[in-house]
Amino acid sequence: DVVLTQSPLSLPVTLGQPASISCRSSQSLVHSDGNTYLNWFQQRPGQSPRRLIYKVSKRDSGVPDRFSGSGSGTDFTLKISRVEAEDVGVYYCMQYTHWPPYTFGQGTKLEIK
Amino acid sequence: EVQLVESGGGLVKPGGSLRLSCAASGFTFSSYSMNWVRQAPGKGLEWVSFITSSSSYIYYADSVKGRFTISRDNAKNSLYLQMNSLRAEDTAVYYCARGYCTGGNCNFDYWGQGTLVTVSS
Repeated sequence: DVVLTQSPLSLPVTLGQPASISCRSSQSLVHSDGNTYLNWFQQRPGQSPRRLIYKVSKRDSGVPDRFSGSGSGTDFTLKISRVEAEDVGVYYCMQYTHWPPYTFGQGTKLEIK
Repeated sequence: EVQLVESGGGLVKPGGSLRLSCAASGFTFSSYSMNWVRQAPGKGLEWVSFITSSSSYIYYADSVKGRFTISRDNAKNSLYLQMNSLRAEDTAVYYCARGYCTGGNCNFDYWGQGTLVTVSS
């Protein structure tokens, strides 16, 4: 199974400052079709997960453009250009290249400093 | 608007059984694959099971294989998870998540609000 390792696990950020979360895979996430399949989800306190990014860098409808995804192969990053109070929560990466099983990172808890 | 509403959670003793349901609305349920994903208290996300739109393909996580059964009723816009031989480590919030398959690969997007399953004596 593919293991996704996120860092940091805890991310205190000052409002208005940027934030960056890393997701590293135990094997390349390049699919046999040439595409790379990685999602980012946001889980606000007390809520269910919400998808922000799919296919590494494609933003879901309604997701603010301060969120961006990048990366290739085994290294991926979620960036928030300017953190707002509503961004507090836990962020998960998830791969859907080598499944089943779908696998998730451990989660990164973003809090306001 | 896509809506997924889980139900059927509760307290059950180790070795017991429970059946979860997920009622779907706001989209053509019969055209989408579906998933169950769980989250133990204070922990991360764990995929549990997948079923294609026509139930042709079904997959399970190793942790639940042989104990859980996923199914669906497209006429009722409903997804199910029959959970048998429950263990304490199955305690979690169970989410249903809509899947979709394009170009031979499958992802998921919308999630329900979850239903809590507690396995304890």
